[in-house]
Amino acid sequence: NAGVTQTPKFQVLKTGQSMTLQCAQDMNHEYMSWYRQDPGMGLRLIHYSVGAGITDQGEVPNGYNVSRSTTEDFPLRLLSAAPSQTSVYFCASSPKLRVSVYGYTFGSGTRLTVV
Amino acid sequence: TQLLEQSPQFLSIQEGENLTVYCNSSSVFSSLQWYRQEPGEGPVLLVTVVTGGEVKKLKRLTFQFGDARKDSSLHITAAQPGDTGLYLCAGLYSGAGSYQLTFGKGTKLSVIP
Repeated sequence: NAGVTQTPKFQVLKTGQSMTLQCAQDMNHEYMSWYRQDPGMGLRLIHYSVGAGITDQGEVPNGYNVSRSTTEDFPLRLLSAAPSQTSVYFCASSPKLRVSVYGYTFGSGTRLTVV
Repeated sequence: TQLLEQSPQFLSIQEGENLTVYCNSSSVFSSLQWYRQEPGEGPVLLVTVVTGGEVKKLKRLTFQFGDARKDSSLHITAAQPGDTGLYLCAGLYSGAGSYQLTFGKGTKLSVIP
């Protein structure tokens, strides 16, 4: 089925470890983004991209890196994991100029725990 | 910083009751969307409202956009346990970055059988 695929579903890291959260979409969407969702804080934008080779920072970018080498993939890298990065991470995509029609399509999330 | 305030934050009701949740901002939206998120899943788009005063219905859910396009409401009639979830509003502002949604923090609804 078409959509946004996130892997892994669950991950436990030790403080200081690095890892990459994967996100792929097969809808040819230009816009892709990463959010973290914490209780009482809502969805907070980490990084986003409006096309291959173009990325920009969101509200909470510190400690995270992204790249967009293809339209389909938008991985999120944690450079040196900290307990404050324990969260649920969502990847979302949309046709850049049709957000008001199609909204965002979200993946099912990655639940990350840093110990 | 453009903010969307949602109220109430939590709502627990009995099956069959009616409820309304609200989404407010001091800024004008070009459009507003409502999403529902079930546990362990990502948010899913329910509806988009574009015109001030617009009302859209989705079965037992009624969505209204304020005349000034600064606020919106979601009304559920005869709530059912399947309506349980987190309801998020998201606003789209015109101009630069008009692909960027601003999300409220959500209303967590529990419908008790």
